[in-house]
Amino acid sequence: DIVMTQSPDSLAVSLGERATINCKSSQSVLFRSSNKNYLAWYQQQPGQPPKLLIYWASTRESGVPDRFSGSGSGTDFTLTISSLQAEDVAIYYCQQYYNTPPTFGGGTKVEIK
Amino acid sequence: QAQLQQSGPGLVKPSQTLSLTCAISGDSVSSNSTSWNWIRQSPSRGLEWLGRTYYRSKWYNDYAASVKSRVTITPDTSKNQFSLQLNSVTVEDTAVYYCAKRAPVAGTFDSWGQGTLVTVSS
Repeated sequence: DIVMTQSPDSLAVSLGERATINCKSSQSVLFRSSNKNYLAWYQQQPGQPPKLLIYWASTRESGVPDRFSGSGSGTDFTLTISSLQAEDVAIYYCQQYYNTPPTFGGGTKVEIK
Repeated sequence: QAQLQQSGPGLVKPSQTLSLTCAISGDSVSSNSTSWNWIRQSPSRGLEWLGRTYYRSKWYNDYAASVKSRVTITPDTSKNQFSLQLNSVTVEDTAVYYCAKRAPVAGTFDSWGQGTLVTVSS
């Protein structure tokens, strides 16, 4: 199975400031023939299921604010929230869908400083 | 977008069978382009994919190695739903269980059920 490792476990950011979350996979999730990274990001708020934010490492799901962006390739990926809003307080997960079983990172908790 | 509604008991005794159902609206369990999944979440194991069922001219299932000997996921076309059965449960199976639809193209989980906290306790 592909192991997904996120860092940091938690971070506190002031409103309007940038939040950066890292995700590393134990093997490449880049499918070379399509040049697509099989990597997604989810946001989970308390008592709710995860919500898909980004797929193909950098494509925002419909309706997701453009302050959320994803980058990276191969084994190293980043989720950036450019200007943190109060409603962004949540736990964020990366997930690979390169192969079965799909696997998730351990999560990064984002709080307001 | 599909909507998923979960049902089933929140308390199961050790050694018994956990059973949950996920009713689908806005899509079909027999869709040729997606799959229907069960995922659980616990503090000790995080988000863990348990398995899926999908239709490609016939029905297929895939299961996680960690539960393969104990799990069954079954579609019900007459009710447009799918179910999870997990046998011989222990306290380690205490978790929030989610059903989820896998997106046709990207393969991500784009629709989720509301979640069911299942506690294994006598």
